[in-house]
Amino acid sequence: GNSVTQMEGPVTLSEEAFLTINCTYTATGYPSLFWYVQYPGEGLQLLLKATKADDKGSNKGFEATYRKETTSFHLEKGSVQVSDSAVYFCALRSGGSYIPTFGRGTSLIVHP
Amino acid sequence: GAGVSQSPSNKVTEKGKDVELRCDPISGHTALYWYRQSLGQGLEFLIYFQGNSAPDKSGLPSDRFSAERTGGSVSTLTIQRTQQEDSAVYLCASSLEASKGEQFFGPGTRLTVL
Repeated sequence: GNSVTQMEGPVTLSEEAFLTINCTYTATGYPSLFWYVQYPGEGLQLLLKATKADDKGSNKGFEATYRKETTSFHLEKGSVQVSDSAVYFCALRSGGSYIPTFGRGTSLIVHP
Repeated sequence: GAGVSQSPSNKVTEKGKDVELRCDPISGHTALYWYRQSLGQGLEFLIYFQGNSAPDKSGLPSDRFSAERTGGSVSTLTIQRTQQEDSAVYLCASSLEASKGEQFFGPGTRLTVL
């Protein structure tokens, strides 16, 4: 079956630090990959996505590259802000299923 | 335009009581999902509706849980004889088409069973 593994949090950084949140997956076929972000008290919202190998999704300074050879989709940002403090979820949807598989989420805390 | 809305935002109930949680998806979205998010856990899939097709109920944890979607729009998740382990945030999401993958989430309903 499909699964998504994320690094455990919380990840605590100072403002302007470099961010990496690791995500690896197992899936049948060729999945689409997603990062969602959940700000405190809100629902999840799509941050970025990639639908095929070597695609790079990007949004709001965040990037992630679909690496088929390592089955990874790590989230990166060059300089985090306090407002980036949230929980980040990696997810996949494989072609044969309409039900996405989510990771457990990684909490990011950014200090001024 | 309006996003996905859910009501109530918070619900406190006593063990053994029934609860109903409501989800209003984005207009025109044919796919609707319910998830449960427990403290420190990821999203647990519960049920999925696509248009007028029979729902995929494979994620419902017990027969105390049920959901319906009327007219292809509003959905209600019902939990009968609530238990303390049902305490969680219940999230609803919709998507234009299930095959597109991108989901739009509501803010959730926080359920507390005393």
